[in-house]
Amino acid sequence: SQTIHQWPATLVQPVGSPLSLECTVEGTSNPNLYWYRQAAGRGLQLLFYSVGIGQISSEVPQNLSASRPQDRQFILSSKKLLLSDSGFYLCAWTPGVWTETQYFGPGTRLLVL
Amino acid sequence: KNEVEQSPQNLTAQEGEFITINCSYSVGISALHWLQQHPGGGIVSLFMLSSGKKKHGRLIATINIQEKHSSLHITASHPRDSAVYICAVGQGAQKLVFGQGTRLTINP
Repeated sequence: SQTIHQWPATLVQPVGSPLSLECTVEGTSNPNLYWYRQAAGRGLQLLFYSVGIGQISSEVPQNLSASRPQDRQFILSSKKLLLSDSGFYLCAWTPGVWTETQYFGPGTRLLVL
Repeated sequence: KNEVEQSPQNLTAQEGEFITINCSYSVGISALHWLQQHPGGGIVSLFMLSSGKKKHGRLIATINIQEKHSSLHITASHPRDSAVYICAVGQGAQKLVFGQGTRLTINP
């Protein structure tokens, strides 16, 4: 069966520090991968999606970036965190056709102080 | 105006009540999703539908494409149904647009 992992589960970082969040999927090949953010009191927002290794599409311009170094690995990064980067970050995958059900990871709660 | 609007934003009911959560959207879509987010933050996909009606246990989801409206119903509600329910629409390749969510609390 397929599983999706995210780490860390929680993270407290100072403003201006770098960030690296990792997401891995097991039990499937060539998944579409997604990074979402949920800011406090707000709805989910798509940040990045990837249809293959090295292929990243950005939905929202910001100081975050994403990379997909391996088929089932998706990384969210920042060189310098802002206070506004605080939120709940979710990784998700689909089998490859976007209209199919999305499977979400457990999420990473990030607090920037 | 948000592309996806949910109502109500908050809903409190007694155990056993019939629950309805509504979702309206203003854009063309290919599919609509209903998601459930538990207090810890984890999200589970409940339904994906592009027409008609789907049922899973005590949950029923309907969609009216002409009216751009969907409803999520819960029959015989239970405290374990307490969660945030999120409507999302598929809009173009690889993109979901989400509603703000409806926080449901079922009291015993």
